[in-house]
Amino acid sequence: NAGVMQNPRHLVRRRGQEARLRCSPMKGHSHVYWYRQLPEEGLKFMVYLQKENIIDESGMPKERFSAEFPKEGPSILRIQQVVRGDSAAYFCASSLREAGGPDTQYFGPGTRLTVL
Amino acid sequence: LAKTTQPISMDSYEGQEVNITCSHNNIATNDYITWYQQFPSQGPRFIIQGYKTKVTNEVASLFIPADRKSSTLSLPRVSLSDTAVYYCLVGFTGGGNKLTFGTGTQLKVEL
Repeated sequence: NAGVMQNPRHLVRRRGQEARLRCSPMKGHSHVYWYRQLPEEGLKFMVYLQKENIIDESGMPKERFSAEFPKEGPSILRIQQVVRGDSAAYFCASSLREAGGPDTQYFGPGTRLTVL
Repeated sequence: LAKTTQPISMDSYEGQEVNITCSHNNIATNDYITWYQQFPSQGPRFIIQGYKTKVTNEVASLFIPADRKSSTLSLPRVSLSDTAVYYCLVGFTGGGNKLTFGTGTQLKVEL
């Protein structure tokens, strides 16, 4: 059973370009979370999505950042007009959300974004 | 979400048992306690999860006292490969479980 997959693993962009990060959840999981981790810090929640719906985007910057989880295909985190401060590791997690059980999240390997 | 407090770092030697305690005084009735392990340049890896008393799997044990205001992750006979950051998290099982990561505990295992 393949785990959460993310690509690319490393992404280099120049200031002003767009970054697209992809996440394929574990088989059978329909809930996706995105987190950002700066060096020497813990992960910070960004957005929670179900298929075709954004459920909670309270952790996502209001400008330049967007996320989607279409009916078919991976979840996409898009960062427009990147700035140096966007350099970080971006992790995706997925969960099953079974009724009555703990919502255990399983993480992907992350995408390391470097903005030059 | 309940705030957690855990030691910033711990040192151990190979073959020893390591216990990392986490305080979560404001844990809610519906909250579960979950521990993750993270190696450099990798995503957090789920270790163990529990609600009360004791939970054991092939990797670790989790001890939770009756008041649930703290929990202890126990790693038996650690090896060098257990050197990592360990995060303790508490959260509700439903309604969009936004995990709140602190700085975790950096465990360093030496020969």
